[in-house]
Amino acid sequence: GENVEQHPSTLSVQEGDSAVIKCTYSDSASNYFPWYKQELGKRPQLIIDIRSNVGEKKDQRIAVTLNKTAKHFSLHITETQPEDSAVYFCAASIDDSGTYKYIFGTGTRLKVLA
Amino acid sequence: ETGVTQSPTHLIKTRGQQVTLRCSSQSGHNTVSWYQQALGQGPQFIFQYYREEENGRGNFPPRFSGLQFPNYSSELNVNALELDDSALYLCASSSGQGYETQYFGPGTRLLVL
Repeated sequence: GENVEQHPSTLSVQEGDSAVIKCTYSDSASNYFPWYKQELGKRPQLIIDIRSNVGEKKDQRIAVTLNKTAKHFSLHITETQPEDSAVYFCAASIDDSGTYKYIFGTGTRLKVLA
Repeated sequence: ETGVTQSPTHLIKTRGQQVTLRCSSQSGHNTVSWYQQALGQGPQFIFQYYREEENGRGNFPPRFSGLQFPNYSSELNVNALELDDSALYLCASSSGQGYETQYFGPGTRLLVL
């Protein structure tokens, strides 16, 4: 069935270090992959997304890479700051007979230690 | 912040009751998707509405139903509430039914006792 696996579930890094979160998806037809950041008690907020015709996308300290052959994509945060601490979710789009829905990963709790 | 709003912010119900949650989509968006997010989990797709019609649903029973209005706002109704329905309910709006970016509302936290 449709599935998105996300690792690690928790990640602690020192301020200034890099953080990498990895996701694997099951539906080879998926072609849109957003990443959301969710702070405690708040809504998920889109931080970056990538479509299947692109292998990498960067926005300042955040980058996403996509390997369609292996069906995995990764979020890279460089020069981490305490305000990067949050739960991060990856998602993959599924075209289910005309319904375009997202399957979310289980989340990664990132802690940036000052 | 997105222009997506939800009401109420919090709700407490007892088992067996019915609840209606509301979502106003961002201006220019005609698609609303509803998600259930249990504590410590990722959002789970409930269903999507596109131009007032249900456009597909996830693995949720029929007691979860919805509506979309001509102004593209939407309601999620849950009948015969169960304890496991306690969760954060998120709606997300987008500008089409394709692979468009979805913008989430702040959610409604439902507690079923």
